[in-house]
Amino acid sequence: GESVGLHLPTLSVQEGDNSIINCAYSNSASDYFIWYKQESGKGPQFIIDIRSNMDKRQGQRVTVLLNKTVKHLSLQIAATQPGDSAVYFCAESRALKAAGNKLTFGGGTRVLVKP
Amino acid sequence: DGGITQSPKYLFRKEGQNVTLSCEQNLNHDAMYWYRQDPGQGLRLIYYSQIVNDFQKGDIAEGYSVSREKKESFPLTVTSAQKNPTAFYLCASSIGDRSNSPLHFGNGTRLTVT
Repeated sequence: GESVGLHLPTLSVQEGDNSIINCAYSNSASDYFIWYKQESGKGPQFIIDIRSNMDKRQGQRVTVLLNKTVKHLSLQIAATQPGDSAVYFCAESRALKAAGNKLTFGGGTRVLVKP
Repeated sequence: DGGITQSPKYLFRKEGQNVTLSCEQNLNHDAMYWYRQDPGQGLRLIYYSQIVNDFQKGDIAEGYSVSREKKESFPLTVTSAQKNPTAFYLCASSIGDRSNSPLHFGNGTRLTVT
């Protein structure tokens, strides 16, 4: 079936360096993607999203890149801080008929920031 | 503060008992969702509701039931028929228009069944 997955389960990064988290998706009809951050014992927190008519979107210290040709999504975190240590999920979204949308999540990447 | 409230944070039950997890939102969102998360894994969709008094099965609905009598509330019952109920349960909501929009999550209920 269609799925969304991640290449690296754990990413260790030095404080102050940039982080890059990758995600591959297989449904070519996907038109909306979201990155979430999840800290231990908490629910996922929205970071940034991107629609398929874009290839790049920037937020505060974060950038999402979308390459539809190879069905690849990445999240870049600039100047990684200790507070960025968490599990990051990408999700593919499909709009529902009446309201809302259905997300399919990847397995997650743990980011560990070293002081 | 607007948000999604899940209660309780931790829940313990004996095998064979039904248990209901609470989810309330004050974001005025039309759509609500229940996801299950197992250790080291992503989230899987259990049930979702697009409007009041209507809900649909997600990918892993067996052994679960829901109701949506009010816009603000979407309780999930884990029945004794659920073979592996111990997990972290997450409720979410999103705005009700027909375009894609991010889901907002609560902080979850960790259910342990022994």
